[in-house]
Amino acid sequence: ELKVEQNPLFLSMQEGKNYTIYCNYSTTSDRLYWYRQDPGKSLESLFVLLSNGAVKQEGRLMASLDTKARLSTLHITAAVHDLSATYFCAVGNYGGATNKLIFGTGTLLAVQP
Amino acid sequence: GAVVSQHPSWVICKSGTSVKIECRSLDFQATTMFWYRQFPKQSLMLMATSNEGSKATYEQGVEKDKFLINHASLTLSTLTVTSAHPEDSSFYICSARVSRGVTEAFFGQGTRLTVV
Repeated sequence: ELKVEQNPLFLSMQEGKNYTIYCNYSTTSDRLYWYRQDPGKSLESLFVLLSNGAVKQEGRLMASLDTKARLSTLHITAAVHDLSATYFCAVGNYGGATNKLIFGTGTLLAVQP
Repeated sequence: GAVVSQHPSWVICKSGTSVKIECRSLDFQATTMFWYRQFPKQSLMLMATSNEGSKATYEQGVEKDKFLINHASLTLSTLTVTSAHPEDSSFYICSARVSRGVTEAFFGQGTRLTVV
């Protein structure tokens, strides 16, 4: 059974600081997704990582994937308050054996001024 | 990106009644739709996967007779919570996959269900 864990579950950080959220998963997958969720809202797609070594960046967020270690990271650079949200990673393979996504536990990020 | 519309955004119902939630893909045909449930401060839990024209595949522990899923067309899937109880109160989110070979699925706005 595929399990996806995130670390940390809660992160309070000051504006301007850097930090990394980690996503570990238990079985082989070559696709990993990162989403953002604001309170009471649905999911916003941030990144889709499709291969080992993939790195994508958008603004202050950068995501990477190491399929051999079954690990993805979401790095936050010089955090700002607007980044406060819950971040989820999800692993799966549409069209593959599972044809579904399994979500991580989520990381609640609070950026303090 | 493609747009998935979910309706209603929120609903309050009495215990014992049934509630239907709609999920529509507005500008594409969705071969597969997924239904998730999210309790407060928790992650999304997949409830079922539905393919157009066939019966939904439910995840372990999800009662198929309680959560009825219909995917009658390539643009519409519905989730009906039958005989709802307060413990069914949750945030329900659908997502729709564009087509085979496409790596992304798009999420609806979610439906907040409160059973009183």
